[in-house]
Amino acid sequence: GAVVSQHPSWVICKSGTSVKIECRSLDFQATTMFWYRQFPKQSLMLMATSNEGSKATYEQGVEKDKFLINHASLTLSTLTVTSAHPEDSSFYICSAPPSFSYNSPLHFGNGTRLTVT
Amino acid sequence: AQTVTQSQPEMSVQEAETVTLSCTYDTSESDYYLFWYKQPPSRQMILVIRQEAYKQQNATENRFSVNFQKAAKSFSLKISDSQLGDAAMYFCAYRRGGDSGYALNFGKGTSLLVTP
Repeated sequence: GAVVSQHPSWVICKSGTSVKIECRSLDFQATTMFWYRQFPKQSLMLMATSNEGSKATYEQGVEKDKFLINHASLTLSTLTVTSAHPEDSSFYICSAPPSFSYNSPLHFGNGTRLTVT
Repeated sequence: AQTVTQSQPEMSVQEAETVTLSCTYDTSESDYYLFWYKQPPSRQMILVIRQEAYKQQNATENRFSVNFQKAAKSFSLKISDSQLGDAAMYFCAYRRGGDSGYALNFGKGTSLLVTP
């Protein structure tokens, strides 16, 4: 089945530094990638939608200058948390529908646990 | 905007028993999909079951089945013969249909505890 690989699975960084999270579709082309954030014991909240070759669409309240999204190819989308602060500590998950069938279930990465100290 | 409501933050069931998790949603769309996802402590998102809104028949996957009441906008999940491995967070999710890819909109989740 289709697989989405997310890397790293966990990262610890110092406040003020930037962190990049990668999400790759391994056996299908992902023209669209969704980025979610999940705080402890809470639900997954959609942050942004990235589309290959165009600008990402951000949900209300999400700072696009802080959470930089790049969807440079049909198999890779990246989320960069710039100037990270402790309040950015969270679990970030990417997901994608296979481009051949948008109505197929989304495929999820295994998530990235970000801790900002 | 579509909203998904899970009114049970926590549920408990004894092993081998049956439990039902509730979910309601609000939408003005006619074409949509509903899902139940399981998130164990590893936090991996696992698809449990899926229902197309245009299908009247309730979806079933082994021990998991749904009660889809379209008019009432209700989508409950029944887990039969509960197993210890069923313990996890369960999220109900909504997704618009159509030709473009749409994101999932999740409920707040229900934490399911399975006791021996």
